[in-house]
Amino acid sequence: KQEVTQIPAALSVPEGENLVLNCSFTDSAIYNLQWFRQDPGKGLTSLLLIQSSQREQTSGRLNASLDKSSGRSTLYIAASQPGDSATYLCAVTTDSWGKLQFGAGTQVVVTP
Amino acid sequence: GAVVSQHPSWVICKSGTSVKIECRSLDFQATTMFWYRQFPKQSLMLMATSNEGSKATYEQGVEKDKFLINHASLTLSTLTVTSAHPEDSSFYICSARDPDTIYEQYFGPGTRLTVT
Repeated sequence: KQEVTQIPAALSVPEGENLVLNCSFTDSAIYNLQWFRQDPGKGLTSLLLIQSSQREQTSGRLNASLDKSSGRSTLYIAASQPGDSATYLCAVTTDSWGKLQFGAGTQVVVTP
Repeated sequence: GAVVSQHPSWVICKSGTSVKIECRSLDFQATTMFWYRQFPKQSLMLMATSNEGSKATYEQGVEKDKFLINHASLTLSTLTVTSAHPEDSSFYICSARDPDTIYEQYFGPGTRLTVT
């Protein structure tokens, strides 16, 4: 059974520092991996989607890497801002229907 | 961009009553929608996969008679929580899969259900 783990569970950094969020999964047979952002009491915002054949994706200050063979992904957020404060979730697509298996998330606080 | 809406955004109901939550894809047709629940400080847990025109597929441990899912059209799926109890209080989120993209899902804003 696929298990997705995110470390750390919580992270607090001063504004301007780079953020590094880790995600690991136990079964490398995935279709893709996605990173989402969730603000308190809100739905999910998709940040990056990495296909299983890709090694990384970039969007603005965000960069995500994928090492499928070792079951790991890392989300880098450069020059963090207070507006980056949120919970970040990673999820892997486990079947052809698009079913997602989520990690528990990393709660990020960026202090001014 | 693709937009998914949910209605209502929050609802309070009494124990024993039923509550219906709607999930709509506003600018695309979604043959597949997913329903998740999220308890405080926890991640999303998939409840069921909803396919237009066929019965929903429920995850292990989810009571299909309690959580009724109907995917009536290519833009609407509904989740009905029947005979709700306080332990059903949770944040329910739906997502819709855009058939034109490769496994990309668009999430609704969620519905906060409180059962008193």
